[in-house]
Amino acid sequence: EAGVVQSPRYKIIEKKQPVAFWCNPISGHNTLYWYLQNLGQGPELLIRYENEEAVDDSQLPKDRFSAERLKGVDSTLKIQPAELGDSAVYLCASSQDGSSTDTQYFGPGTRLTVL
Amino acid sequence: GQQVMQIPQYQHVQEGEDFTTYCNSSTTLSNIQWYKQRPGGHPVFLIQLVKSGEVKKQKRLTFQFGEAKKNSSLHITATQTTDVGTYFCAAWRSNDYKLSFGAGTTVTVRA
Repeated sequence: EAGVVQSPRYKIIEKKQPVAFWCNPISGHNTLYWYLQNLGQGPELLIRYENEEAVDDSQLPKDRFSAERLKGVDSTLKIQPAELGDSAVYLCASSQDGSSTDTQYFGPGTRLTVL
Repeated sequence: GQQVMQIPQYQHVQEGEDFTTYCNSSTTLSNIQWYKQRPGGHPVFLIQLVKSGEVKKQKRLTFQFGEAKKNSSLHITATQTTDVGTYFCAAWRSNDYKLSFGAGTTVTVRA
């Protein structure tokens, strides 16, 4: 069974440029998460989807970040415009039903560097 | 909100020795999960503890959930170079329905 797929793995952009990340979750997983991981820190949730509905986007900086999961499968996370402080690893994860005991499976992440 | 604190932040271990890393909370936890992230990799689920006082073992790794469900520990015996990485605990926050990760314990091994 394929795991969570993310692309690109690495992205280097100049500040003020837009950037987009793509995620394909494990087949059959209804819940999809986007996390931000800074160096030396644990993952921090940005947004959680149940199927195509964003059920928790309270930590998503909505002035520059947006996300979508139109058909309840793949998802994209966009930053426009990027700032220096956005440099981090963006992790996508999926789980079957998003319950408290559900296991989250992480993708390899996209390492973003903003110059 | 509910947070989990992990100690130590760094653990330098001689190969073959044992060590323990801890995860503490000021509030009662419904469950706790442990993940391992290898250098350059992504978090990988190790185990989940749900019951008070629960102890689970995976080969040389022993996971324990405190009786009061406010803390957890991971004990590794006879450390090997394959144990290198960062170990995260994560607790479910019932007030806002999300998994909250600690900052992790980064383990390095001296051969």
